Amino acid sequence: ELKVEQNPLFLSMQEGKNYTIYCNYSTTSDRLYWYRQDPGKSLESLFVLLSNGAVKQEGRLMASLDTKARLSTLHITAAVHDLSATYFCAVDRKSAGKSTFGDGTTLTVKP
Amino acid sequence: DVKVTQSSRYLVKRTGEKVFLECVQDMDHENMFWYRQDPGLGLRLIYFSYDVKMKEKGDIPEGYSVSREKKERFSLILESASTNQTSMYLCASSGRYNEQFFGPGTRLTVL
Repeated sequence: ELKVEQNPLFLSMQEGKNYTIYCNYSTTSDRLYWYRQDPGKSLESLFVLLSNGAVKQEGRLMASLDTKARLSTLHITAAVHDLSATYFCAVDRKSAGKSTFGDGTTLTVKP
Repeated sequence: DVKVTQSSRYLVKRTGEKVFLECVQDMDHENMFWYRQDPGLGLRLIYFSYDVKMKEKGDIPEGYSVSREKKERFSLILESASTNQTSMYLCASSGRYNEQFFGPGTRLTVL
């Protein structure tokens, strides 16, 4: 059974600082996704990582995938308040399009 | 602009009532999903459909059923609502790379 573990689960950081969220998973998979959820809202897709070594960047967020280590990272550069949200990673189950989601990392960026 | 819509944002029902939650996507996606999201329990897959009239149980199907008569529409049915089904329900569809697109969610309260 595929297990997906994110850490930390809660992260409070100051504006302007850098930090990394980690997503580990337990069985082989070549596809990993990052989603963002704002309070009271639904999830929206941030990044789709489709192969080993994939790196995607959007603004102050950069995601990478190491399939050999079964690890993805979401790096935050010079955080701003607007990045406050819950971030989920999800890993493809390799069966008919389903994914297993991590528990989410709730990020709070303080001035 | 891709879109997944859900029939209600908020719904209040009584114990024992039959409840229908509807989801429509306009992206011609094969796969559609129903999740529930509860604090501390993350996102849990209830049912999955990979084609019209085709469905597969997710991780927590008990107490739920689904219907997919048309490609764009996926319905979640609570045959006899119970208080432990109070939750946020999220519908999603996925396309080519299994990246999921979520609807706005339905917050269901069962009294």
